[in-house]
Amino acid sequence: DTGVSQDPRHKITKRGQNVTFRCDPISEHNRLYWYRQTLGQGPEFLTYFQNEAQLEKSRLLSDRFSAERPKGSFSTLEIQRTEQGDSAMYLCASSFTGELFFGEGSRLTVL
Amino acid sequence: GIQVEQSPPDLILQEGANSTLRCNFSDSVNNLQWFHQNPWGQLINLFYIPSGTKQNGRLSATTVATERYSLLYISSSQTTDSGVYFCAVELYTGNQFYFGTGTSLTVIP
Repeated sequence: DTGVSQDPRHKITKRGQNVTFRCDPISEHNRLYWYRQTLGQGPEFLTYFQNEAQLEKSRLLSDRFSAERPKGSFSTLEIQRTEQGDSAMYLCASSFTGELFFGEGSRLTVL
Repeated sequence: GIQVEQSPPDLILQEGANSTLRCNFSDSVNNLQWFHQNPWGQLINLFYIPSGTKQNGRLSATTVATERYSLLYISSSQTTDSGVYFCAVELYTGNQFYFGTGTSLTVIP
């Protein structure tokens, strides 16, 4: 059983460009979470899926952010018109019984 | 929302020393986990411990849910224990985990 997989691991983009991150959860985990972490801070919740339904969204998730989990398996997080303040580590986690398992994260740098 | 506070914020230990990290939370919780964030940023599961006591090698954890705190004990610390330790809690009514502020541990040889 493989762990949570995230792609890409690193992304450097110019301000104004769109970026998309992918998360493959642990097989059969029905819950999937996205978090964002900036330097020196703890992870901040962005959004939560149970199967394909997006059940919770943080106020941090502006209109430029959108997340999907179309078939209840992998998920994507898209950021449109990136800003320098979007530079952060984007973390994905999955769960079945309540225990969270995190991927290695996708580090975004917006120039 | 719930407040999750960790103490101390920073800790420097000599290799071989013991330490206790604390996590206080302001509301009743359904789940609680301790993580170690490695230098590459990945959050490694240490304990899933909504209540009670668990041990894994040199590490152990205790959660007293009724008093709204959890403790992580590290014994005979090693340089590889260095990093940031986070606790995270989930409310009974919530769909998210709230992370504490973290404890940055440095173990020197």
